[in-house]
Amino acid sequence: DAGITQSPRHKVTETGTPVTLRCHQTENHRYMYWYRQDPGHGLRLIHYSYGVKDTDKGEVSDGYSVSRSKTEDFLLTLESATSSQTSVYFCAISESLGASQLADHNEQFFGPGTRLTVL
Amino acid sequence: GENVEQHPSTLSVQEGDSAVIKCTYSDSASNYFPWYKQELGKRPQLIIDIRSNVGEKKDQRIAVTLNKTAKHFSLHITETQPEDSAVYFCAAINFGNEKLTFGTGTRLTIIP
Repeated sequence: DAGITQSPRHKVTETGTPVTLRCHQTENHRYMYWYRQDPGHGLRLIHYSYGVKDTDKGEVSDGYSVSRSKTEDFLLTLESATSSQTSVYFCAISESLGASQLADHNEQFFGPGTRLTVL
Repeated sequence: GENVEQHPSTLSVQEGDSAVIKCTYSDSASNYFPWYKQELGKRPQLIIDIRSNVGEKKDQRIAVTLNKTAKHFSLHITETQPEDSAVYFCAAINFGNEKLTFGTGTRLTIIP
């Protein structure tokens, strides 16, 4: 597995509380992503980063914010958690999905996931 | 934006038989199509991918085919084994756009 860790791995919280999930990589990859995985929906992109301090929204970004102050860390914050944000959250990294023709540079590697329950 | 549809959502096959999972995409500019396998409780992992300048790619018992005209691609697993039981996701991306769009997944069960 590529050097990606997520913390915490499990969290139970209450509605209305702030929650921050951390993704840490040791691969020095440029791109980092946050997905949520829900039954029947597959993997949906929340936010992604294409460099330090450079981020953009995905398809399900409402209620989430992100920050990337260092190459190796990408934080996902739920400012005020809701029950609809109960999900499994995956971080992913890639060097470049599109620009390089080399197979080694095209894979997106996933972290182990964080199971978040909002009561 | 890109939309990827995946069928079927569940698939059961006898051990030793073949399994086929199909995906369609909407953006004709998409040019890279990976397939990920996710075992229960684990992270998704890349098993095979194909670029738009190639019609078919094989890796042992796994193959992927791409029809650009029809905008669909398929995963073929031959001589299925119990360890092939997992959820499989297809995805699509346009070079220059670093965002993968995933299908909704297929739960494959291999019956011994």
